Amino acid sequence: EDQVTQSPEALRLQEGESSSLNCSYTVSGLRGLFWYRQDPGKGPEFLFTLYSAGEEKEKERLKATLTKKESFLHITAPKPEDSATYLCAVRRRGNAGNMLTFGGGTRLMVKP
Amino acid sequence: ETGVTQSPTHLIKTRGQQVTLRCSSQSGHNTVSWYQQALGQGPQFIFQYYREEENGRGNFPPRFSGLQFPNYSSELNVNALELDDSALYLCASSQERSGTAYEQYFGPGTRLTVT
Repeated sequence: EDQVTQSPEALRLQEGESSSLNCSYTVSGLRGLFWYRQDPGKGPEFLFTLYSAGEEKEKERLKATLTKKESFLHITAPKPEDSATYLCAVRRRGNAGNMLTFGGGTRLMVKP
Repeated sequence: ETGVTQSPTHLIKTRGQQVTLRCSSQSGHNTVSWYQQALGQGPQFIFQYYREEENGRGNFPPRFSGLQFPNYSSELNVNALELDDSALYLCASSQERSGTAYEQYFGPGTRLTVT
């Protein structure tokens, strides 16, 4: 069974204080790892897809990296508007349907 | 380009009742997936529809059912509602082609409360 664990569950940062969120996964044959941002009461917003170990993607202050066992979302010099829950999900190679297995998320709070 | 839309936004039902939630896919997308998200947790996959047929199902009982229409819009039906069905229901659309993991784009969700 696919498993995704995110840590920490919650993270408080001061504006400008860089940090990383962790996503550990167990899946038999990774087809893709996805990062989403979710604001309270809203649907997840797509950020990145990573396909293979060593791959990196960047968007503004966010950078996602992937190894064979985990992914990191690095946040450089965060701003209060980066406050949200960040979700990680995996899709297994060959599964019937586009089933994404999500982690529980990391709730990020950035204080000015 | 129109994003994924869902209706209604909020819904309150009584235990034992039935509910239908609706979703319109993003323009150009042929696949719809439904997820249930309990408060403070990550979304859980319910099922997916591709070309109007169920194409994968998560660990949800048969009282959760769905439909996809020729215009790729979709419905989620839940019968015999239970208190534990209270959650945010998310619809996601994608353009599926074999061999690639295409990202799913989510709608704003429907907040269902069962009393």
